Amino acid sequence: DAKTTQPPSMDCAEGRAANLPCNHSTISGNEYVYWYRQIHSQGPQYIIHGLKNNETNEMASLIITEDRKSSTLILPHATLRDTAVYYCIVSATDSWGKLQFGAGTQVVVTP
Amino acid sequence: EPEVTQTPSHQVTQMGQEVILRCVPISNHLYFYWYRQILGQKVEFLVSFYNNEISEKSEIFDDQFSVERPDGSNFTLKIRSTKLEDSAMYFCASSAWGGATGELFFGEGSRLTVL
Repeated sequence: DAKTTQPPSMDCAEGRAANLPCNHSTISGNEYVYWYRQIHSQGPQYIIHGLKNNETNEMASLIITEDRKSSTLILPHATLRDTAVYYCIVSATDSWGKLQFGAGTQVVVTP
Repeated sequence: EPEVTQTPSHQVTQMGQEVILRCVPISNHLYFYWYRQILGQKVEFLVSFYNNEISEKSEIFDDQFSVERPDGSNFTLKIRSTKLEDSAMYFCASSAWGGATGELFFGEGSRLTVL
């Protein structure tokens, strides 16, 4: 079973920030938090990952709570092309790329 | 931007036939993976491969499945005798580093339909 809990769906207005929550209350000290997304039936696309510090890249920001039991992915200015299923995944350092995908959050960006 | 390429994009086969799905990972990557997604279901890990060996495999990856890196560029997934339940989208991925220290780059997938 997936180690994360995400809302099944959320809507976001184009141009607004999208804040995607994720609970990972059983996360271990050697597990990173990863976010991927899947647009329609395309291959998953990496967004961002972090261990305990907040991270930002050209796509998004990742805010991890101090106790690391939850995190939020922020898409600062959502566009229609950001409509996708977003997956929050915890993965250990010795995981050999074994990502455990859950059902994710279906994000629909509306004009 | 470098990308993972997969062929064929769609393959239809008869139950019991052998199928080979091909992938060209990103050229300087050392770690290779196969995932699959049955229609309407979650993306599932199948196998990871490094240094010409399987690093980890899931319960799905039974004796009917095998992986190979036959040359310096291709990475293949073979299904020896396909079953109806093997119908799925198969995604190849590669990464520069193993473990949880780097991102996986996924291809666009190969859709396998078993009749």
